[in-house]
Amino acid sequence: EPEVTQTPSHQVTQMGQEVILRCVPISNHLYFYWYRQILGQKVEFLVSFYNNEISEKSEIFDDQFSVERPDGSNFTLKIRSTKLEDSAMYFCASRAAGELFFGEGSRLTVL
Amino acid sequence: DQQVKQNSPSLSVQEGRISILNCDYTNSMFDYFLWYKKYPAEGPTFLISISSIKDKNEDGRFTVFLNKSAKHLSLHIVPSQPGDSAVYFCAASEARTGANSKLTFGKGITLSVRP
Repeated sequence: EPEVTQTPSHQVTQMGQEVILRCVPISNHLYFYWYRQILGQKVEFLVSFYNNEISEKSEIFDDQFSVERPDGSNFTLKIRSTKLEDSAMYFCASRAAGELFFGEGSRLTVL
Repeated sequence: DQQVKQNSPSLSVQEGRISILNCDYTNSMFDYFLWYKKYPAEGPTFLISISSIKDKNEDGRFTVFLNKSAKHLSLHIVPSQPGDSAVYFCAASEARTGANSKLTFGKGITLSVRP
């Protein structure tokens, strides 16, 4: 069964460092998303991406965040200068129509 | 601003009994609703969905009911099994398709099914 894959599964970084989280969406999907879940809180929308551009972003997705689809398969989330409050599980998702399919998540720990 | 509310943080039921998980929403533009299940250290997994043109959708042991006038939906699991123990998220969207149809999630309900 096709699935969304994410790397790394866990990354520990120092505050102020850049982080890139990688995702390989399901191959025939056209819509891509990043969500995050801070420990004990709800799953929050960050950004949606379609046709090589951002279609919507939340207030969380400020200038420190960027997304890119550098080739036909990868979808990346970059955090330019990490803050302590960026520590969370980051979920990539993709869909063709209807439901979103999520990856297993990348845990980011900012020290 | 909680557009999707799951007011009960947890629910415990006996194996074989019915589990009823509730969800309320405030945004009247929502017209597509989904339930996701999440185990620790895994991503959310799609369970079942319902469009606003329906009031019930059934898939095996899982049934979702939608009451649009009350802006309320519920997920029924019957019979409940220990493997159903997980966090269940209610989610809603303003459209089933389209580039802008992001999902808005509730906070989740932790379901524990006792053997």
